[in-house]
Amino acid sequence: DIQMTQSASSLTASVGDRVTITCRASQSISSYLNWYQQKPGKAPKLLIYTASTLLGGVPSRFSGSGSGTYFSLTISSLQPEDSATYYCQQSYSSPLTFGGGTRVEIK
Amino acid sequence: EVQLVESGGGLVQPGGSLRLSCAVSGFSLNRHWMHWVRQAPGKGLVWVAHINNDGSTTNYADSVKGRFTISRDNAKNTLYVQMDSLRVEDTAVYYCAREGTGWSKDYWGQGTLVTVSS
Repeated sequence: DIQMTQSASSLTASVGDRVTITCRASQSISSYLNWYQQKPGKAPKLLIYTASTLLGGVPSRFSGSGSGTYFSLTISSLQPEDSATYYCQQSYSSPLTFGGGTRVEIK
Repeated sequence: EVQLVESGGGLVQPGGSLRLSCAVSGFSLNRHWMHWVRQAPGKGLVWVAHINNDGSTTNYADSVKGRFTISRDNAKNTLYVQMDSLRVEDTAVYYCAREGTGWSKDYWGQGTLVTVSS
């Protein structure tokens, strides 16, 4: 199975800060990497697919990059509504696996 | 508007069974692979199973293989998962999710809570 590792389980930043969340795969997954946002008590929402493609309707302050084994999700200017847990997920091979999540809190 | 609505969760004793349903609307179910993903209380997301468009191909996480069965009725626009021999560690919110572009999960239901406890 491919292991997905999000090195930071949580981070705290201020409104307006640039925030980067990283995700590492245990083997190359090309660009088959998706990012989800989950708020407490709610279902996950897809933000970015195939590493860097922003889903329609997602604010442009979100961006994704990377390929192979190293990926990142960047929020260019953190907003209060971005307080959530972010998960990466590989769709390269079964079983599909998620990272452990990074909780973003607003200072 | 795309909607996925899960139902069927509840409290069940260890060793018991439960069938979850996911009713979809706003899109043609027969055009999409579908997934079940679960989340134990306070924990992360874990993929459980998927099924292809016509139900001829299924795949399961090792933790549920042989105990869970995913199925679909495209005519009824409904996805199912039959969960047998339930264990305490199966306690979780279960989400159905639609397969989208790039093998992403582009739409999710609101989730249904399954609690396995004596």
